[in-house]
This record gives sequence, structure tokens and C-alpha cells, in this order.
Amino acid sequence: DAGVIQSPRHEVTEMGQEVTLRCKPISGHNSLFWYRQTMMRGLELLIYFNNNVPIDDSGMPEDRFSAKMPNASFSTLKIQPSEPRDSAVYFCASSFEYLSTGELFFGEGSRLTVL
Amino acid sequence: KQEVTQIPAALSVPEGENLVLNCSFTDSAIYNLQWFRQDPGKGLTSLLLIQSSQREQTSGRLNASLDKSSGRSTLYIAASQPGDSATYLCAAFQGAQKLVFGQGTRLTINP
Repeated sequence: DAGVIQSPRHEVTEMGQEVTLRCKPISGHNSLFWYRQTMMRGLELLIYFNNNVPIDDSGMPEDRFSAKMPNASFSTLKIQPSEPRDSAVYFCASSFEYLSTGELFFGEGSRLTVL
Repeated sequence: KQEVTQIPAALSVPEGENLVLNCSFTDSAIYNLQWFRQDPGKGLTSLLLIQSSQREQTSGRLNASLDKSSGRSTLYIAASQPGDSATYLCAAFQGAQKLVFGQGTRLTINP
């Protein structure tokens, strides 16, 4: 079975540019999460969708960040405009019956570098 | 607010040793606790998930225990191998809320 698929795996961009990260969750999973990982802060939850609806976006740093899930098989995380402090690895994760189990399956991540 | 702590931050042991990784959490009202492995440049791989009603889970050479009353979980790795080298993270789940991660323990197994 295919796991969580993220693209791009690596992105290098200049400050002020728009960045779009993409995620395809595991088929049949109904919850999707975007996390950010840095050395300083570890793993931070940015936003959580259940059945394509955003449930908790309290971790989204600021208005420059937005996330969408137009259907059960696709989500995007957009940063506009990007800043050097946004440099991090962004992970997408999905789950089936998250509220019961809390079990997450992670993608390989998108490493973002903003110059 | 739940806080999850993992000590030590890094651990280096010779191959073949049995070892224990520690995870502590401040709020004992958890539904379950999950242990993950992360290899450099990779995502997180779920190793073991312990439900709050369970005391331990085993998978191969790995055994994870959970003591809610003391706010602690341990991951025991038997007969360690160089391939076990990775960062190990624990995460506490409180239901309908965020999965709170520790900062991880970076494990190195020396041949």
C-alpha cells in the first residue's frame, strides 16, 4: 500500500516567494495533519482536518500560512510570502479514526529552505 | 497543558546492549502513548502504540511500557543493532486534541 505522499521533497526559494506543499493521504484515512519540524521547536502541529474540514488551525503561525483540503485525497499548505524563519521540514500525516486511536502515519516530509 | 519530555537527548551504546529510552508526560489523562522512529531525512515511523488501558506492548526486540500514574513510558530495545540508530520520539494522545510530541532521543549504536 502507498503511504502518505508529499511533494516536493525539497524546495529552495527566496524570501517573499509563494510556496505550495502538497500531500496525498493514505486512501481511506479521514484525518489529515500538517506538522512542522525544526531543531529548536521540534514537531509542531499546524493544522488538522477531519473529513476534509479544518478542525484545529491554532498552530498556524500567522496569516501567511493557509491550508486547504478540497477532497479526501489531496491537501495543500501554502506560505505567502515566505520568510527565512519558515525554513523547516513540513510533514503531512494521515489517520483513520484518529479520535479513537490517535495513530498517525507520516509522509517523508518536504524540506523547505527560504533564503 | 500537556508537556512531554524525553531524557536523554542523545545516547550512544555499543552493539548488543539492551537499552531503555525514557518518556515522561505531565498530564496523566491520556488515551494512549505512541513511540515513533525517525531516520535522518525521513518521516516518522510508528513503532508501538499503547492504549491507556494497557501496561505494555511488544514488537520483536522492542517493548514499550506505560505507567499513567507516574506519567512515564519506557521503550526497551533488546540486543541493539547498528540499524537501530535513529531518533526515537514519544507522543501522548489526549483524544480530540493534539498529539503532543517529545523532543526525541537520538540513539547511536556503535558496531
